[in-house]
Amino acid sequence: GDSVTQMEGPVTLSEEAFLTINCTYTATGYPSLFWYVQYPGEGLQLLLKATKADDKGSNKGFEATYRKETTSFHLEKGSVQVSDSAVYFCALSVPVGFKTIFGAGTRLFVKA
Amino acid sequence: DAGVIQSPRHEVTEMGQEVTLRCKPISGHNSLFWYRQTMMRGLELLIYFNNNVPIDDSGMPEDRFSAKMPNASFSTLKIQPSEPRDSAVYFCASSLGTEAFFGQGTRLTVV
Repeated sequence: GDSVTQMEGPVTLSEEAFLTINCTYTATGYPSLFWYVQYPGEGLQLLLKATKADDKGSNKGFEATYRKETTSFHLEKGSVQVSDSAVYFCALSVPVGFKTIFGAGTRLFVKA
Repeated sequence: DAGVIQSPRHEVTEMGQEVTLRCKPISGHNSLFWYRQTMMRGLELLIYFNNNVPIDDSGMPEDRFSAKMPNASFSTLKIQPSEPRDSAVYFCASSLGTEAFFGQGTRLTVV
């Protein structure tokens, strides 16, 4: 069935370090891909998305490219800040019924 | 738009009691999802509706859990009877298309 696998956390980085969180997916058809972010005590918020192969989603300095050949959607940021500390979820949405499937989440800690 | 509204934000109840969680989706959205989040199991999809009709309830853990969507602007998730292992944060999300919008969640504690 459809699924999302992302790297386990927690990930701990110093401020201004480079971030990569790996995400791979399995899906039938052509899903849309997403990264959501969850700050402490809050619900999930959409961070960025890509709807077709080779699309790059970007927001707040974060980027991810839809790679159909490797079924991946890795999240990157060139220079993290303390305020980026949160849990990041990779997700896919299948065209039939628009069911959204989430990965397990990766907790990021950024130290000053 | 106020976004997805869930109530209550926090609920503490005794084991064996009935618990009802409520959700108001974003107006115009035609899909609604209930998720449960725990440290051990992460974010689990319990059930989702499309145009008020339950499409997939395979994630509902037991018969103690039930969900309804009587109209496009309201949904409930009921647990009867509740057990301590039901303690979690329950999220409702709605969508029109591919992007899901989440509510703030209901933190349920069953003692």
